[in-house]
Amino acid sequence: DTGVSQDPRHKITKRGQNVTFRCDPISEHNRLYWYRQTLGQGPEFLTYFQNEAQLEKSRLLSDRFSAERPKGSFSTLEIQRTEQGDSAMYLCASSGGQGASSGANVLTFGAGSRLTVL
Amino acid sequence: QKEVEQDPGPLSVPEGAIVSLNCTYSNSAFQYFMWYRQYSRKGPELLMYTYSSGNKEDGRFTAQVDKSSKYISLFIRDSQPSDSATYLCATGGRSASKIIFGSGTRLSIRP
Repeated sequence: DTGVSQDPRHKITKRGQNVTFRCDPISEHNRLYWYRQTLGQGPEFLTYFQNEAQLEKSRLLSDRFSAERPKGSFSTLEIQRTEQGDSAMYLCASSGGQGASSGANVLTFGAGSRLTVL
Repeated sequence: QKEVEQDPGPLSVPEGAIVSLNCTYSNSAFQYFMWYRQYSRKGPELLMYTYSSGNKEDGRFTAQVDKSSKYISLFIRDSQPSDSATYLCATGGRSASKIIFGSGTRLSIRP
């Protein structure tokens, strides 16, 4: 297992276009998270899956954003009608195990997908 | 008020110095605490994980959690230029859903 993989690493698009990012988590992890990070800020939570169920979504996730994890394995994050304010690093992370004391909440991050909206 | 507050720095210290990085949080329900290191244009990588209050040591790194004052710290001993990075504190509650990050402290170790 090579860890969490994200694709593409960098996407440049024009305002109004749709973009999709893919995340392949660590295979035995049942939880998958999407975060957004802008320059000089920490990661901001967007959404979270346990297996294929999307259990929580941030207010940051407007109607233009949609995330799926159809078979409980890889996930996609789609942004429709991109705006310049969507320019950021989109980070995917996964976690697994049982119980907070065992470190089940430890997130392993991918390298991120950087979005530039012109 | 942000749920997790962290001084953004930047912090610059000479090689070999002891570094102290700190965060405060507002939600007393937070149960577990993490420190991540992030190099430029890379994803964060886990440094330390602690569950509840106390100290945890791993090599040159020591994490401290004081739940009474809602204060978490990371100490780096014998700092090296390779420690230059952004350090992120993170915390979450028992539900293990949303994990909240601080804004990160940019650290530079001068040779």
